[in-house]
Amino acid sequence: KNEVEQSPQNLTAQEGEFITINCSYSVGISALHWLQQHPGGGIVSLFMLSSGKKKHGRLIATINIQEKHSSLHITASHPRDSAVYICAVKAGGGADGLTFGKGTHLIIQP
Amino acid sequence: NAGVTQTPKFQVLKTGQSMTLQCAQDMNHNSMYWYRQDPGMGLRLIYYSASEGTTDKGEVPNGYNVSRLNKREFSLRLESAAPSQTSVYFCASRALGIRQFFGPGTRLTVL
Repeated sequence: KNEVEQSPQNLTAQEGEFITINCSYSVGISALHWLQQHPGGGIVSLFMLSSGKKKHGRLIATINIQEKHSSLHITASHPRDSAVYICAVKAGGGADGLTFGKGTHLIIQP
Repeated sequence: NAGVTQTPKFQVLKTGQSMTLQCAQDMNHNSMYWYRQDPGMGLRLIYYSASEGTTDKGEVPNGYNVSRLNKREFSLRLESAAPSQTSVYFCASRALGIRQFFGPGTRLTVL
């Protein structure tokens, strides 16, 4: 079973700061997902990546397959970025579904 | 295009009662999933369906049954609810090679 660890568990920062959230997993994967869950509870998939780097607006996700590690970066953070960010991995082979980290609670203060 | 819809949004059950959580997607996705989210545990996969007519167990299937009624709909049934099944339930769907889309969730309390 893949173990997915996220750090930090909680993060409070000031508006405008550069944010980094880390994710490590224990077993080889076919894809890694970054998800965002707002206080209302809805979950949105931000990125799915299997190598390299992806960028969408102020969000950047990177993955290092050899080190089994991924990072999610937020540039010029804003209070509306406050949410829980969840890392999830999909195993290779025929297994389906995702294994999730416990999430990082991010608060951006004005 | 509604995406993934779930009903009901909230439900309170007594121990031993049964109920079915409904999920539907209008994106023509082959794969559909049921997850539960508990405080401090993260999301966990209950069951999934890789295509119409097939279902497979995930990490925590005990106490649940599922039906993939057609390509659009994937229901989750609790035959005899227990307090340990108090949770928030999310349905999700995806097509091959793309990210998952999640429903808004069902908050279930079992007394």
